[in-house]
Amino acid sequence: AQKITQTQPGMFVQEKEAVTLDCTYDTSDQSYGLFWYKQPSSGEMIFLIYQGSYDEQNATEGRYSLNFQKARKSANLVISASQLGDSAMYFCAMREGPASGAGSYQLTFGKGTKLSVIP
Amino acid sequence: DADVTQTPRNRITKTGKRIMLECSQTKGHDRMYWYRQDPGLGLRLIYYSFDVKDINKGEISDGYSVSRQAQAKFSLSLESAIPNQTALYFCATSDRTGGGEQYFGPGTRLTVT
Repeated sequence: AQKITQTQPGMFVQEKEAVTLDCTYDTSDQSYGLFWYKQPSSGEMIFLIYQGSYDEQNATEGRYSLNFQKARKSANLVISASQLGDSAMYFCAMREGPASGAGSYQLTFGKGTKLSVIP
Repeated sequence: DADVTQTPRNRITKTGKRIMLECSQTKGHDRMYWYRQDPGLGLRLIYYSFDVKDINKGEISDGYSVSRQAQAKFSLSLESAIPNQTALYFCATSDRTGGGEQYFGPGTRLTVT
């Protein structure tokens, strides 16, 4: 079974609107972390936001927020007020185990969602 | 200046050639990683290093080797390149503190003909 599933290969959003990119994960660990990365057409991978499994509040970073629903094992990325520069591939990733543990090196990535922002 | 740099940014090489990809970082992180990205397959871990004396294989290490020359430098070698090693290669770093978020270099686009 895939550990990270991103079911939306491609999404379109109108400029200035909000968009939600879906991510579900599968782990039996109690301690884990969830990450979102952005990859523009230029190719670099940009870290956006992090959510720890014990964090009670949803993570937010500027226009990015992570809608963390632990019971459903989902970690959706919400981008508010979309901009043309948000057009990119977006990857969800997971770290299993505590951040300081032996497994903390391993990030498992989903296959990504391509977001296109329409003017 | 970028915190994580990779050289070269683009490389075309022939089957059977040895090639080295280099990574340097100024973030002061202990941990460094090499990934490859193929269309539709996401990122896959090749090797990782927790410090200069610690090197570990990742998911797809066959055909690759690495060297951690210093805390800030981590190089990836393809001893005898083959066409299915054509991919986008990323170096990444992370701190032992924090949540484990990794910071990526700009990538090296490698084509093996």
